[in-house]
Amino acid sequence: ETGVTQSPTHLIKTRGQQVTLRCSSQSGHNTVSWYQQALGQGPQFIFQYYREEENGRGNFPPRFSGLQFPNYSSELNVNALELDDSALYLCASSLVVGASEKLFFGSGTQLSVL
Amino acid sequence: QQPVQSPQAVILREGEDAVINCSSSKALYSVHWYRQKHGEAPIFLMILLKGGEQKGHDKISASFNEKKQQSSLYLTASQLSYSGTYFCGTEDNAGNMLTFGGGTRLMVKP
Repeated sequence: ETGVTQSPTHLIKTRGQQVTLRCSSQSGHNTVSWYQQALGQGPQFIFQYYREEENGRGNFPPRFSGLQFPNYSSELNVNALELDDSALYLCASSLVVGASEKLFFGSGTQLSVL
Repeated sequence: QQPVQSPQAVILREGEDAVINCSSSKALYSVHWYRQKHGEAPIFLMILLKGGEQKGHDKISASFNEKKQQSSLYLTASQLSYSGTYFCGTEDNAGNMLTFGGGTRLMVKP
């Protein structure tokens, strides 16, 4: 039990649609990161938010965007869905940014794009 | 560039030992290890900071060779509960994003 919850657990969308995934971090964790994990691969960093501002971004296009709220919840939004966006999306929270802190992962949202 | 893990998969009998390696082409600040079971969240195992330290956690330990930019995870006297996919994550500077390897699938059989 990591204390990080994600919703929904599964989602099916069609190409071109938009999707919003949600994450609830551990209380007090002011940093949240989002990862994309394709089947059989390691998690790929999408972006990180610290105190409601984007703090770093991986190699993902602008149609991937996020929000972080003061109540330790956050969102990942993906516009104009493509077939290759099908993956497990993980959020991870941590207590501190700027240091090597352990990440607390949620169980993920499995997104299928048809 | 993501770190390279080896082996990609390993099957063990209960009680046997295993070593999982993680290698990077970049100078590293830290190495993180996580284990993920199917359908579950990745769970933190340990972090090793540059300095060549070794850490232990029950019968799971790890080393970090800063000069070789490599880390190894050691699982001794494996238990059924050790089954899962192990990921190393590397950090090239303090506070930078973690870059994960492709994972090592470990199966422990009775």
